[in-house]
Order: sequence, then C-alpha cells, then structure tokens
Amino acid sequence: RKEVEQDPGPFNVPEGATVAFNCTYSNSASQSFFWYRQDCRKEPKLLMSVYSSGNEDGRFTAQLNRASQYISLLIRDSKLSDSATYLCVVSGNRGYSTLTFGKGTMLLVSP
Amino acid sequence: GAVVSQHPSWVICKSGTSVKIECRSLDFQATTMFWYRQFPKQSLMLMATSNEGSKATYEQGVEKDKFLINHASLTLSTLTVTSAHPEDSSFYICSARRLASSTDTQYFGPGTRLTVL
Repeated sequence: RKEVEQDPGPFNVPEGATVAFNCTYSNSASQSFFWYRQDCRKEPKLLMSVYSSGNEDGRFTAQLNRASQYISLLIRDSKLSDSATYLCVVSGNRGYSTLTFGKGTMLLVSP
Repeated sequence: GAVVSQHPSWVICKSGTSVKIECRSLDFQATTMFWYRQFPKQSLMLMATSNEGSKATYEQGVEKDKFLINHASLTLSTLTVTSAHPEDSSFYICSARRLASSTDTQYFGPGTRLTVL
C-alpha cells in the first residue's frame, strides 16, 4: 500500500463548480497534514495545512479524519486559475519534518 | 513567505558529465534542506536530507556516491549528479526547513530540470 494515495484524476469541471479531492495515508503515526498545489513544471506551493477540526480558507476547505486516515479538500466556486495538480502531503512518518507526497490529482477548470 | 532559490533552473548535458545544482535560502538560515526528484506524472520523492555541517541522510535506493550532497553553510546546499545518464533526467527540487517559535515549515525552491542526452 502506498504511503499517501490520491484520486488519480484528472478532474474536469466547469467554472463555478464544487470539486472534492480525497486522500488516504497508511501510517497512523503521521503528525501533520497539508495540501499543496503544483502548477505545470513548477515547484509545489503550500495551499493549506489540515487539522482535525477542519479548516477553511476562502473557497477552500480541508478536513482530516485520523480514525479513517483520510484527508479531503473541497474547492467551491472553481476558478480557471484553480487549474493545477493538488498534492496531498503527510509529515511525521520518518522524522518530524519529512514530507511524503501523494501522486497528486490534476484539476482542469474550463470556461 | 521565505524565499528559496535554485540554480540552474534548467540544464542539458551529455551522458557521463557531472551536474551541480545549488539550493539557497535567501532570507533565513536553514540547518536542514531536502532534495526531491520528480519524474513526469509522478509524485515528489525525497532523495536525501541535507544537514549543515554533517553528512546527508539518503533515502533507500538513492546512491550516495552518485548524488553528492554538500551543505557547507546555513544558506547553501548543493546536489551533484555525478556521471549523469539519461535515466537521471528529472525535475530536482530542494526545500529548506525553517524553524520558528511555533512552526516548522519547508519552503521549496523553483526546481531544476535536468535533461541528460
């Protein structure tokens, strides 16, 4: 089983749609959880951290379920500029600051 | 946010040559930097953890003699791909760890695209 698994995608949605990404992780000892965004041929950039209580940043909402080892990201009112690959990232598997990346889910928002 | 630079941003070289990639933290000191590799349509894979003033820690399957890491100062880590071959062609990304009073964050460099002919 892969350490971090994500929906393979790509997700093709129209502008204004709501889209949800799912992610599962295998190591129950994981400490921190993040969603990163990666544009084509660019470095990943932190979108948001994920907490058990859930957190929201504008149109983006992230949730963590430790019991199920499941992480989600919800994007509301999709914009063209949201088109990117979304990476689920887990930390703490092999050392506090070591990050383990999922393969990513590509989102394509069309007009 | 903090800034991390990488140089060069892209490089094309002949098989058998060595390539050095620099990673710099521009506005903070980083005792720890990380080197990742990403093949097309794949996830970022951690290659090694670079610690200032000590030897790097390599992930399983990464040859330390092929991927030489030097972290001689708190703002600079270098990765040298020795005797590069076409299968080493990839996107190499570094990150620098910034420790503040209540946060532990990695900031990524823009990446270096290596193509070995």
